[in-house]
Amino acid sequence: EAGVAQSPRYKIIEKRQSVAFWCNPISGHATLYWYQQILGQGPKLLIQFQNNGVVDDSQLPKDRFSAERLKGVDSTLKIQPAKLEDSAVYLCASSFPDRVGYTFGSGTRLTVV
Amino acid sequence: GEDVEQSLFLSVREGDSSVINCTYTDSSSTYLYWYKQEPGAGLQLLTYIFSNMDMKQDQRLTVLLNKKDKHLSLRIADTQTGDSAIYFCAEIVSGGYNKLIFGAGTRLAVHP
Repeated sequence: EAGVAQSPRYKIIEKRQSVAFWCNPISGHATLYWYQQILGQGPKLLIQFQNNGVVDDSQLPKDRFSAERLKGVDSTLKIQPAKLEDSAVYLCASSFPDRVGYTFGSGTRLTVV
Repeated sequence: GEDVEQSLFLSVREGDSSVINCTYTDSSSTYLYWYKQEPGAGLQLLTYIFSNMDMKQDQRLTVLLNKKDKHLSLRIADTQTGDSAIYFCAEIVSGGYNKLIFGAGTRLAVHP
């Protein structure tokens, strides 16, 4: 089975610029997650989708972060405007609802300078 | 509350056993996981244990769960240099939709 695809792999932007990350989950996985992993820390859940609806975005800084999952498949996470503290790896994961184990993509490493 | 705690660093000699420990807070967690992350890579699911089990063995990996103390451990037998990585403990927190909460990770260094 193909894995979770993410792009780009790396991104360097200046503070106050905008950036978008893309995720293509495993086919058939209804649940999609975006995690933020700051260097030296564990991944932190930003937002969780069930099909194309948001079920948890309590940790998403909504003044600058947004995410969508059109048609319940691919998802895009956007940051506008970026701050230095947004430098992190952004991981996308997907799973079947109530099934064991999430499958993670390789992530997008964002550096804000 | 939601909190998963792990020790940050473990150093072992090649061929020895490694034991990585974790404590969690949600007593209703149904599944507990161990993920492995190598440098520059994503998270790889190593193993998991269902909350009604005390132990699970999978080749060189043994997971022990103490529900009373909310303590989870991962033992790697015959540790190899290829096992050097960061190991994350994670719990499923229920309440509406399940979500996976991670600890900060334990960096395992294997030396000759």
